[in-house]
This record gives sequence, C-alpha cells and structure tokens, in this order.
Amino acid sequence: NAGVTQTPKFQVLKTGQSMTLQCAQDMNHEYMSWYRQDPGMGLRLIHYSVGAGITDQGEVPNGYNVSRSTTEDFPLRLLSAAPSQTSVYFCASSLATRVHYEQYFGPGTRLTVT
Amino acid sequence: ILNVEQSPQSLHVQEGDSTNFTCSFPSSNFYALHWYRWETAKSPEALFVMTLNGDEKKKGRISATLNTKEGYSYLYIKGSQPEDSATYLCAFPNNAGNMLTFGGGTRLMVKP
Repeated sequence: NAGVTQTPKFQVLKTGQSMTLQCAQDMNHEYMSWYRQDPGMGLRLIHYSVGAGITDQGEVPNGYNVSRSTTEDFPLRLLSAAPSQTSVYFCASSLATRVHYEQYFGPGTRLTVT
Repeated sequence: ILNVEQSPQSLHVQEGDSTNFTCSFPSSNFYALHWYRWETAKSPEALFVMTLNGDEKKKGRISATLNTKEGYSYLYIKGSQPEDSATYLCAFPNNAGNMLTFGGGTRLMVKP
C-alpha cells in the first residue's frame, strides 16, 4: 500500500494563477479531507468528503474547490491563487465516514504564491 | 468552531526526563479524542484514538489518559529520548462526527 499520496511536493504560483493539488489513497477509505497548516494556526480543515460524489466545506473553504468522482481521488483546486494561500497543504483519509477513526496523512504540498 | 486547547505550547526537557502535556476540549457531546505525533518535515501520524471516559492507552513509552466529564486528556512520555522531539497534536470531532478540530499542538524538544 502506498497509503495517501500527494503531488506536487512543492509549487510556486503567481497571484491569479489556478492549479490543482492531487491527493490519492489506496486504502479504500470513505473519508478524505484537506487541511492547511500555517505557523501559529495549527491544522485547519478546508474541505472534506464522506464518499464518492459527496463533499462539504470545512473551516476555511473560501478560494478552494473540491470534487470526489472516485473513492481514491480527492483533488483540491485553487481557483485564483492569492498570497494568503501560501501554506502547507495536507490531505488525509480515514476508514469510516465519521471521524472516530485515525486519520492517515499524506506527505504534504508546500505552496508559495507570489 | 470548537475550542480545542493544548498546553504548554512548547517544552524543552533533558534526555531521560518524563514529561506530560494537556489537551482540553468541550466536555459535552463527546465522541472521540485523537492524539497525533508530528515530526518536522514529515506528516502527522496517529498515536491514539480514545473513546471512553477513563480510557488509558499506551504505545511504548507514550501513554494517554482521558477524562470526558471534565474535558481533558493528558499525554505522558516516560524517559524522553531525542527521537521523541516532535509536535504532539490532539483533535476533537464536531457533533456530526464529520469534521476534526485540531489543537495548536505542544512542541517537545528533548536535549541529549
């Protein structure tokens, strides 16, 4: 099992550009989520999904879109990048649709918006 | 947004010291409490998911206790080693059980 994979590892964008951060898991997990990690702020939930075709907003969803067309993949789209979106992004997955099970995190994507 | 607080924010100890830190969470509508270990330049890894009041879990030199009635959990590390240096996070689900709120973490540094 590869677990949770994320690509790219690093990315630099100019303000206004769009891009997609990829996340995939091979554990047949129902629940997938995206977090951003900023200094002094801890991990904050952006969007989550409890299964294919079902997504919902987390704590800080503005400026981001997600979709879940398959159980395995949960891409995060930045529509028009802003410097405030400079952060480290983590994708996570867990077995059940309720977050009572441990979360498995991907290696992270470090994004810089200039 | 749930209020999940961890203390202290950071901790420096000597190798061999035992240490502990706290996670505070809302005591109503408890479902579960997660602990994660997060080493620099890596991703968080689960240590424990605790679900019952009075629960105690152990993994090697690390253990955790849970008091759901008063809304706190303690993480203990016995005989700290330099490889224990990491940020320790706790996380608490919302009422619907579909979102986790993370605390700010306790950054532990163990000096050889």
